[in-house]
Amino acid sequence: DTAVSQTPKYLVTQMGNDKSIKCEQNLGHDTMYWYKQDSKKFLKIMFSYNNKELIINETVPNRFSPKSPDKAHLNLHINSLELGDSAVYFCASSQGPLESLRDEQFFGPGTRLTVL
Amino acid sequence: AQKITQTQPGMFVQEKEAVTLDCTYDTSDPSYGLFWYKQPSSGEMIFLIYQGSYDQQNATEGRYSLNFQKARKSANLVISASQLGDSAMYFCAMREPWNRDDKIIFGKGTRLHILP
Repeated sequence: DTAVSQTPKYLVTQMGNDKSIKCEQNLGHDTMYWYKQDSKKFLKIMFSYNNKELIINETVPNRFSPKSPDKAHLNLHINSLELGDSAVYFCASSQGPLESLRDEQFFGPGTRLTVL
Repeated sequence: AQKITQTQPGMFVQEKEAVTLDCTYDTSDPSYGLFWYKQPSSGEMIFLIYQGSYDQQNATEGRYSLNFQKARKSANLVISASQLGDSAMYFCAMREPWNRDDKIIFGKGTRLHILP
């Protein structure tokens, strides 16, 4: 069974469109994250949620809006897509709330977003 | 200033040789955790090994070991007896405590090529 799943795996769309990426984890974790990996492979955190509550909101354009309907799901909605949004977006989860620094993050397979 | 520095953008190593991937970090917090992740060409992020700042011994996981030198703030990954399947991007990452947003910050990665 997939621990952290994301859909879709690939997303190709035109500039200006609105799109969503869904993420689900079946690990019973309390904390979920969205990361963006650019073309140079740099991985940067965008958001994290703990039990449906927003914990981290990095300097991300407000065109990006995460939504956590329950602690097993964290979706990412992107409005008015721009060329620079092309990247691989990873969802991840960890046990949280943080009782141990040891908690590793389990990553989803990634969603490759291409904006034309 | 970068919190995690991986100075080797790329490395080529002969199969069966040992490999050391460098990682230095910057934190003023005495409590932190260090992680290494592997990203093969298929794109998924795979957790390899963890080292806590208070751990007395260097972490080991199979062929992976972490050369942790706290005073020098370095946490190099050592892969013994390298295999072709070790060819991948490797990321060093650090987590600082919960009250600092519980972020995991990633280095820029090292691309490892294992030569037959």
